[in-house]
Amino acid sequence: AQSVTQLDSHVSVSEGTPVLLRCNYSSSYSPSLFWYVQHPNKGLQLLLKYTSAATLVKGINGFEAEFKKSETSFHLTKPSAHMSDAAEYFCVVILTGGGNKLTFGTGTQLKVEL
Amino acid sequence: ETGVTQSPTHLIKTRGQQVTLRCSSQSGHNTVSWYQQALGQGPQFIFQYYREEENGRGNFPPRFSGLQFPNYSSELNVNALELDDSALYLCASSLVSMNTEAFFGQGTRLTVV
Repeated sequence: AQSVTQLDSHVSVSEGTPVLLRCNYSSSYSPSLFWYVQHPNKGLQLLLKYTSAATLVKGINGFEAEFKKSETSFHLTKPSAHMSDAAEYFCVVILTGGGNKLTFGTGTQLKVEL
Repeated sequence: ETGVTQSPTHLIKTRGQQVTLRCSSQSGHNTVSWYQQALGQGPQFIFQYYREEENGRGNFPPRFSGLQFPNYSSELNVNALELDDSALYLCASSLVSMNTEAFFGQGTRLTVV
């Protein structure tokens, strides 16, 4: 069965410094992977998706993620954090059988400090 | 904005009562999924509807049920509410396919007292 593990429950960075949010996946075949962001009291917004095309995926707001099969990782990065990036980030995999049934990681709370 | 709308935004119910949550999917999307997000946790898949039929279910008891209508909108019904049902309920619409993303509504915050 597919699953994702987010390695950090909380990450704190200074504004203008790089962001790294870590995600490892477990899948018996090549997965479809996503990163979603959730701002306080808001729904979920798609940041980017990997669907077996290019391994380096660019998303919205300057975020990108690299699919590394050898490491079973899909880490999310951004070169320079902005205060507005403070939110909860979820790494997500599609369940076996497709149909867009999503399995979420436990989330990483990103804090951006001045 | 994703085009997925949910109502109501907030709701308070008493233990043992029943509740109905509603979701209008994004135009052109034929699949609706429901997720439960407890405080401090990631969303958990409840079930999915495609062409008005249940198309997969997560680890939730039968008192969680749903409907999808011909216009692809959907309802989530929960009977015999328990305190642990307090959560943010998220609706997501998509086109049925392995690789297309889901678009989420803002959610309904349900509090059971």
